Order: sequence, then C-alpha cells, then structure tokens
Amino acid sequence: AQKITQTQPGMFVQEKEAVTLDCTYDTSDQSYGLFWYKQPSSGEMIFLIYQGSYDEQNATEGRYSLNFQKARKSANLVISASQLGDSAMYFCAMRENSGSARQLTFGSGTQLTVLP
Amino acid sequence: SQTIHQWPATLVQPVGSPLSLECTVEGTSNPNLYWYRQAAGRGLQLLFYSVGIGQISSEVPQNLSASRPQDRQFILSSKKLLLSDSGFYLCAWSVRQGTFSVNYGYTFGSGTRLTVV
Repeated sequence: AQKITQTQPGMFVQEKEAVTLDCTYDTSDQSYGLFWYKQPSSGEMIFLIYQGSYDEQNATEGRYSLNFQKARKSANLVISASQLGDSAMYFCAMRENSGSARQLTFGSGTQLTVLP
Repeated sequence: SQTIHQWPATLVQPVGSPLSLECTVEGTSNPNLYWYRQAAGRGLQLLFYSVGIGQISSEVPQNLSASRPQDRQFILSSKKLLLSDSGFYLCAWSVRQGTFSVNYGYTFGSGTRLTVV
C-alpha cells in the first residue's frame, strides 16, 4: 500500500491566490514526521515545512501552512498569495520514527503552475 | 555548517558501462546517508541507506550497489548500466539520533542527472 498519496498530478492557480495541495499518509507508527518539499526545474529539493505527529498546532512557515488532520491522516500544504516563482513540483514525505534509518518516503508529487 | 556535495551534476553513459556517483558530507559526524532516484516526472524512490561505515541497506533489487567507505562518504555504483538506470539521483543525509537540524534533519545534494544511451 502507498504510504504517501498525492492525488493531484497537476494544479493551476492564479497569481496572488491561495492553493491547497493534498497529501494523505498511511502509518501505524504513533511518532512520525511529515514534510513538504519543493522541487523547481533545476532539481534541487527545497525543504518547506515540517509537522510532527505530536504537534498540536498546524505548522506555518511564511506563506506556507500545513493543514494537519491526524484522524484523517492528511497533511495538506496551503500556499497563500501564490507567486510565479512557486511554479514547481511539490512533494509530500513522511518519516516514520521506528527504526534507525529514519528514511523519508515520498509521494508522487504535484506539479503546480502559477498563472500570471 | 553542514554541507553535502554530490557529483557529477550531469552524466551521459553508454549501456553496459560502469557507474560511480559520489556524495560527501561536511560539518557533521555519524550521519544517516541515503541514495534516492527520481524517474522523469515521478517521485523519489529510496535506493539505499546507511547508518554507519560499511552498513548498507537496499530498498529495491536492482542493478546498482552502494558503499560507505568513510563516515561521510557514500558511493553509488554499477558494473554495467542499463537503459532503465537513467534518472535523477539524489544523495541526502540526516542526523542519526536525537534532535534534528534546522530543516529537521534532511539535507539533499544537488543531484546527478544520469542518461544511459
């Protein structure tokens, strides 16, 4: 079964509007972390935001916020006031805290295009 | 500060040729190290991870191998490349235990675009 599911292969948003990128996850761990990364066409992976499973408040980083609904196992990324530079691939990822490797498992990504 | 170096940035190799991609980390000790591969337009697939020198775990059976000869060096290799090995390869590191760094413990290299022809 997929551990991270991103159901939106592509999204369009008008400049200055808000957009929500969906992410659902599957884990039996009680302790885990959820991440969002941005990947522009250059290929680098840019960390955006992190949410721990025990964090009661939704994480926010500037224009990025994470809508964390633990019971639904969803961790949607909200980008407010979209900018042209936000056009990129966005990946949701999860780290399960059991085990020593603590590797990230990624979703398939959402290609966001911001329209002028 | 911690940095991660990955090279080369771009590589075009013929089918059947060997491969060696190198990743080194500076400014930290005992990191967890990871090799990911990204096919065009797809997500990242974990290939290998290492929690210490000489300790390599493989996530998927494949034509590739990994080695960690030094604490902060991680090498991805192949004896004979296949067309299906083409992709974008990313190295990453994280802290092994305890609290995370400012980006919560995962730093990625700049990646290597491998094209097998």
